[in-house]
Amino acid sequence: AQSVAQPEDQVNVAEGNPLTVKCTYSVSGNPYLFWYVQYPNRGLQFLLKYITGDNLVKGSYGFEAEFNKSQTSFHLKKPSALVSDSALYFCAVRDGTGANNLFFGTGTRLTVIP
Amino acid sequence: EPEVTQTPSHQVTQMGQEVILRCVPISNHLYFYWYRQILGQKVEFLVSFYNNEISEKSEIFDDQFSVERPDGSNFTLKIRSTKLEDSAMYFCASSEVRTRRVGQPQHFGDGTRLSIL
Repeated sequence: AQSVAQPEDQVNVAEGNPLTVKCTYSVSGNPYLFWYVQYPNRGLQFLLKYITGDNLVKGSYGFEAEFNKSQTSFHLKKPSALVSDSALYFCAVRDGTGANNLFFGTGTRLTVIP
Repeated sequence: EPEVTQTPSHQVTQMGQEVILRCVPISNHLYFYWYRQILGQKVEFLVSFYNNEISEKSEIFDDQFSVERPDGSNFTLKIRSTKLEDSAMYFCASSEVRTRRVGQPQHFGDGTRLSIL
């Protein structure tokens, strides 16, 4: 069965500092991994995905994520945080066996402090 | 950029009443989904729909729920007899194709906030 864990409910970082939002996963077969961001009263916006290939994937708004198979992790990163990055971030996984639905983590609220 | 649109943005309904939530997926997308997010909790999968039939559904999606694509553009979620615990934000999503090899992202609407009184 698929599962996603986001161990931190809240991450605070100073503007201009690097940020990391953690995610670990468990799936049957090869994982398809996604990061979404949710701003207040809005839907989920796709940031980036890992399907295959390079372990470091780059996405929207300067975000990137590193796939680590041995640690079953897919942490979201950004070299220099902006105040506008403050939002709720969800990691999601889809297994490689054919089912198309996403399993989401519980979300991490990122606050970038000016 | 094309978007998934959902109406209404907020629906208030008496317990026991039927409610229909509407979605217009992105026009060239073939796979459609409903998710829900109870306040303060994670986003949960309800159902996926492809080729005019349900493809997958979760245990949340019981007999009180149904989905329909009544015409070429709309995709609806019906809750037959609403319960207090159905109060949540309901998100519609769509994706281009369904394939094991290509992980097409799902594009989400802004959601309908359903409040059951």
